[in-house]
Amino acid sequence: EAQVTQNPRYLITVTGKKLTVTCSQNMNHEYMSWYRQDPGLGLRQIYYSMNVEVTDKGDVPEGYKVSRKEKRNFPLILESPSPNQTSLYFCASSQLPGQRYEQYFGPGTRLTVT
Amino acid sequence: GQNIDQPTEMTATEGAIVQINCTYQTSGFNGLFWYQQHAGEAPTFLSYNVLDGLEEKGRFSSFLSRSKGYSYLLLKELQMKDSASYLCAVRERGGGNKLTFGTGTQLKVEL
Repeated sequence: EAQVTQNPRYLITVTGKKLTVTCSQNMNHEYMSWYRQDPGLGLRQIYYSMNVEVTDKGDVPEGYKVSRKEKRNFPLILESPSPNQTSLYFCASSQLPGQRYEQYFGPGTRLTVT
Repeated sequence: GQNIDQPTEMTATEGAIVQINCTYQTSGFNGLFWYQQHAGEAPTFLSYNVLDGLEEKGRFSSFLSRSKGYSYLLLKELQMKDSASYLCAVRERGGGNKLTFGTGTQLKVEL
């Protein structure tokens, strides 16, 4: 089954404790992206990657890091989480843009930082 | 940059038709997407428009007017399961596959 998986699905942590949210896709997609979703603000892009070893900042990259060492994986790293990073996070993937290459979303990770 | 506007909430009756509007401003339009998102779940793709006109897909249709910066999603024969948030997203030229999302329209379908 074609899918995007994320782990963990739920995480409660404390300020300053480094964490990683994993994302993996089995569709051989070149493009992968991380979004955060907050009430009243919609989905906002954090980082994206056009291919292995190619990453770039989205609209809200502060406090986050990513890496793309393999095509299928795109982990999101919070080196020193803060309460304002409490949010619902989605990973997405797609083929590179050409026509109607819709993005496929993972199930989401609900992160709470206390 | 982009600015995308959609109504925050709408209510409709089961079996009826509802139209959800989206207006956008962008410097280099390269496609408009509609996604459906049930509470706490991932967005799922509904439709894509890049040229002016209507795209029909079963009970769902989407319309685009590039000159007006306007799109709508039309849902026919509404069912209770259509209660969800509907997200309008615009892709710009030169931005890879970056999507900028509106804040979503929460649709409630009532009996």
